[in-house]
Amino acid sequence: DAGITQSPRHKVTETGTPVTLRCHQTENHRYMYWYRQDPGHGLRLIHYSYGVKDTDKGEVSDGYSVSRSKTEDFLLTLESATSSQTSVYFCAISGVGGDEQYFGPGTRLTVT
Amino acid sequence: KQEVTQIPAALSVPEGENLVLNCSFTDSAIYNLQWFRQDPGKGLTSLLLIQSSQREQTSGRLNASLDKSSGRSTLYIAASQPGDSATYLCAVRRGGGADGLTFGKGTHLIIQP
Repeated sequence: DAGITQSPRHKVTETGTPVTLRCHQTENHRYMYWYRQDPGHGLRLIHYSYGVKDTDKGEVSDGYSVSRSKTEDFLLTLESATSSQTSVYFCAISGVGGDEQYFGPGTRLTVT
Repeated sequence: KQEVTQIPAALSVPEGENLVLNCSFTDSAIYNLQWFRQDPGKGLTSLLLIQSSQREQTSGRLNASLDKSSGRSTLYIAASQPGDSATYLCAVRRGGGADGLTFGKGTHLIIQP
């Protein structure tokens, strides 16, 4: 398995609170991604990174921000969580451009 | 906008059967296509990656084909086993570099012992 960990694995938070999810990789891969998975929608790309401090928006980026200060860490922040952000969040990595993507175990986030 | 469709949404077959899962995409300008398996409550496991220049890839009992011009891919599972029960996801990548994946909604497969 690719060396990807996500923390926390489960979180319950209240509407309006800030939340940060962390993705950590030990593969030294250049590209990192955040996806969310929802019933009826499948997996959708939120943000991605193509290097340290280099990030861009995906399909469903509203309400989310990201940061990458080190190759191994990619953070996803919900500045003010809403119930519509209740989801399972997956981090993914890939090496050479266009290479296979590997996924982390996911974080289940519930916003009450 | 790229759309990926997987048919059927669910499939239940007896153990030992050979089966085919289908994936179609609307924009044929893809860089590669990846098949994943997802077990309940778990992450995604990559099964096969097919580059746009390839027609098929094989791994053990799995064979994936790609017809880029018609926007179709199939995942063939030979001699199915109960351990193959999972959701199978198809995803396409538009370009190289940092491009993310566009996913289908998956086929939920149950193999009956």
